[in-house]
Amino acid sequence: AQSVTQLGSHVSVSEGALVLLRCNYSSSVPPYLFWYVQYPNQGLQLLLKYTSAATLVKGINGFEAEFKKSETSFHLTKPSAHMSDAAEYFCAVRRGGATNKLIFGTGTLLAVQP
Amino acid sequence: DAGITQSPRHKVTETGTPVTLRCHQTENHRYMYWYRQDPGHGLRLIHYSYGVKDTDKGEVSDGYSVSRSKTEDFLLTLESATSSQTSVYFCAISETGNTEAFFGQGTRLTVV
Repeated sequence: AQSVTQLGSHVSVSEGALVLLRCNYSSSVPPYLFWYVQYPNQGLQLLLKYTSAATLVKGINGFEAEFKKSETSFHLTKPSAHMSDAAEYFCAVRRGGATNKLIFGTGTLLAVQP
Repeated sequence: DAGITQSPRHKVTETGTPVTLRCHQTENHRYMYWYRQDPGHGLRLIHYSYGVKDTDKGEVSDGYSVSRSKTEDFLLTLESATSSQTSVYFCAISETGNTEAFFGQGTRLTVV
C-alpha cells in the first residue's frame, strides 16, 4: 500500500530564506505525487504534481519539487520565502488505475518570520 | 475554481443523531472522495467513489457510510454521530485515477 511521510510538522524560516519541506513516499509501483497548500480556514489548493514526466516539477508561487526514485523522496523547495507562503503544506501520493486512493501526509505548517 | 459545493458548511449535532453531508460537483468528474482533517493527522480518507454506485473504504471508514446515485452527488452519512467524529470534512473530485484532486471548502462538524 502506498503511504507518505512528511518530516517536520512545523518548519520556521526567515523571509527571503530557502524553504525545504520534506516528503518521502512508499509505493510498490511508480506513483503520482502531489503537493497541496492550505491557507487558514480554506480548502486545499494544488501546488504541483509529478506524473512520471520530468523529475523536476515547477509549480505555482515559485515552488518546485524534485522526484528522486532512489531516495523515494519528493521534497518541496522555494528559493526565497515570502510572508504570504505561511500555510500548511501536504504531500500526497496515488497509484494510477481503475480504483485507487489519494493518500495524504500529516502536513507541515510553515511559518515565515520577518 | 472547480465546481464543488459542500453542504452544510457548519453543523452542530448531538451525540447519537444521524448526520448527512453532501458534496455536489458540476465538473462531471468520475472520482469523488471524502476526507476528514484533524490536527496532527493531516487528511485521512474516509470513503471514495470511482463511479456511480461504485464506492470503497478508506483508512477511517468505521462509523461512516456513503452513497453515490448520480455522478454529481456524493453523500457521507454518520449513522450515529459520536464526539470523535467532530472534525472538518472535505470533499474532493478528480477526473481520472491519475490526475490531481480538487477540493471543496470543507464542512466543520461538531458533535456535542
